[in-house]
Parts: sequence; C-alpha cells; structure tokens
Amino acid sequence: ETGVTQTPRHLVMGMTNKKSLKCEQHLGHNAMYWYKQSAKKPLELMFVYSLEERVENNSVPSRFSPECPNSSHLFLHLHTLQPEDSALYLCASSPGTGTNVPGNTIYFGEGSWLTVV
Amino acid sequence: AQKITQTQPGMFVQEKEAVTLDCTYDTSDPSYGLFWYKQPSSGEMIFLIYQGSYDQQNATEGRYSLNFQKARKSANLVISASQLGDSAMYFCAMRERLHGSSNTGKLIFGQGTTLQVKP
Repeated sequence: ETGVTQTPRHLVMGMTNKKSLKCEQHLGHNAMYWYKQSAKKPLELMFVYSLEERVENNSVPSRFSPECPNSSHLFLHLHTLQPEDSALYLCASSPGTGTNVPGNTIYFGEGSWLTVV
Repeated sequence: AQKITQTQPGMFVQEKEAVTLDCTYDTSDPSYGLFWYKQPSSGEMIFLIYQGSYDQQNATEGRYSLNFQKARKSANLVISASQLGDSAMYFCAMRERLHGSSNTGKLIFGQGTTLQVKP
C-alpha cells in the first residue's frame, strides 16, 4: 500500500466541466508534486509545492489550477480541459526538495486516469 | 537535448535470469541523484533504487542493483533472478537542481523500457 493516495482513480469529464483531483500523503513529507503522463511521452513535471508554497510551475496552462492547503494535501482543479489533456496524472511527495539527498526520494501515488471527452 | 535516455523500448527475459536495463543521462551539475522506478499496468510508480552522484559504491536493493559509471554517465539497472511479477515499465530518472535554485530539485524521466518476463 502506497503512502500517497489519489482520488478518483478514474475520471471522465466533458470539456466544459469543472472537476478536481485529490492527493493525500501519509508520510509526513514537506514537498508534493503533480506529474502528467501522456501516452508515448516521458513524465512531465507540472507543479512543485514545498511547505505549502508553490516553487515550480512548469509552464502549465491555466486550465490546470493547483491548490495545497497543507503539507499533506494537494489538489489539481480542472476546468475547460481539452481532449489532449487526457492522461495519467500522478501525485508524488518527498521529505524535502533538495537534490542530492538520499532521503529525498520521491514517492508516487497510484495515479488518476483522466479522459476528456 | 534529452537529459535521460533509455534506448531499449522493450526487453524480454526468461524467468530466473538476470536482465540489464540501460540508462544514460546528461547533466553539467555535479550534484544529482539517479532513480529507477517500476510502473505496472495499474499506473502506480514504484520506487526501486537510488544512486547519488557522490556515492562511491553502486547501490543495491534486494534483487535490484545499479551499475553506476559516472564517467560514461550511465546508470543501468540490473534485475537478478527475474520473476513474472517484474513484468512492467521501468523508468530511469534524474534529480537535478531547478534552474536558479540552490537546493530545489526536480525529477526528469526517461522514455521507459517495457520488460516482459517469460515463464
């Protein structure tokens, strides 16, 4: 069982809908991430939060809006998405964001499969 | 330029044999970390093994070992005694500093290698 829980696991939404993906980590970590995994593409980092402060916004369209109310929870609010936004969205967490620290391994959740119709 | 290169889109291995999954990376930062993750068809990314750029010895975790050749910038994953449950997608990833940051790293992934273990 992973220490990072994502809901829902599967979501189908229309282009005019508003929905949210939720992520919760039970590991006591200080950093949380959203990644997007499209077919035949490497994982793309979308957002990084460290101690509830956004430290990275990787040129993500504004139709994706993250929210981090505390260090255990991370949301991705979705509105007016496009079919090309259909992908697996992975949430992850790590103790910190430092680079060359063995303890800063990033742990992922099971992902939310999103289909935009 | 691609930071992480996995040249094997797909690999087959016989059950109980060892297999090596290739990974090369590119960075000018002396401080970085290398990771391998396993992704079954369910989607979850499972952390397997970590190697720091300053580590002198190759990392090992159970049946997984990392063949770290710093001068060649390669970090191949070796899985010994393959099991049917090892069939999955495997990703090599590198953590390097975010641009303009002294301490915040981001994880960059390769394209992945699909491993199939034959009974």
